[in-house]
Amino acid sequence: KAGVTQTPRYLIKTRGQQVTLSCSPISGHRSVSWYQQTPGQGLQFLFEYFSETQRNKGNFPGRFSGRQFSNSRSEMNVSTLELGDSALYLCASSLERQGAKSPLHFGNGTRLTVT
Amino acid sequence: KNQVEQSPQSLIILEGKNCTLQCNYTVSPFSNLRWYKQDTGRGPVSLTIMTFSENTKSNGRYTATLDADTKQSSLHITASQLSDSASYICVVSALTGGGNKLTFGTGTQLKVEL
Repeated sequence: KAGVTQTPRYLIKTRGQQVTLSCSPISGHRSVSWYQQTPGQGLQFLFEYFSETQRNKGNFPGRFSGRQFSNSRSEMNVSTLELGDSALYLCASSLERQGAKSPLHFGNGTRLTVT
Repeated sequence: KNQVEQSPQSLIILEGKNCTLQCNYTVSPFSNLRWYKQDTGRGPVSLTIMTFSENTKSNGRYTATLDADTKQSSLHITASQLSDSASYICVVSALTGGGNKLTFGTGTQLKVEL
């Protein structure tokens, strides 16, 4: 069974640009959640999608948005990039809603560098 | 405010030795507690998930304990191997009206040396 796939693996952008990250969940998983990981803050929750609907959102500005398609694949978009957006962005899929008994299965992330 | 604190921040041990990582939380209402292992440059991998009624759970050489009364958990690694070098993250799930909410610890960085 294929794991969670995130593309691209690495990305370099300049301030003010926008970026779209992609996540393909494990087959059969309907929940996809996104996280930002930085050395100082650890993992921080961005948002969760379940059956194409955003179900939960973390404390991030509106520049961070996402969507989920009917095949459960998800995309995350960050507009007007800032230097502080440089981070590892992780996507996770699960059978149930995040936080329920099912484990989260993480991808290997997209490393975004903003210059 | 829901918080998860892990200790120590970092740890160096010799191969073959045992070690214990700690996790204290103030998350409520409690739903479950998870331990994840994250290798450098990779996404976290689930080790264990424990609910309120589970005191101990093992996954190979990894054994997690949970004391819901004191809101503490530990992850014990037996006979460590070089491949255990990683960050270990404690995550606590809280029940909310909008579904479960996860609170992440900042992790313990473990290095196993020869």
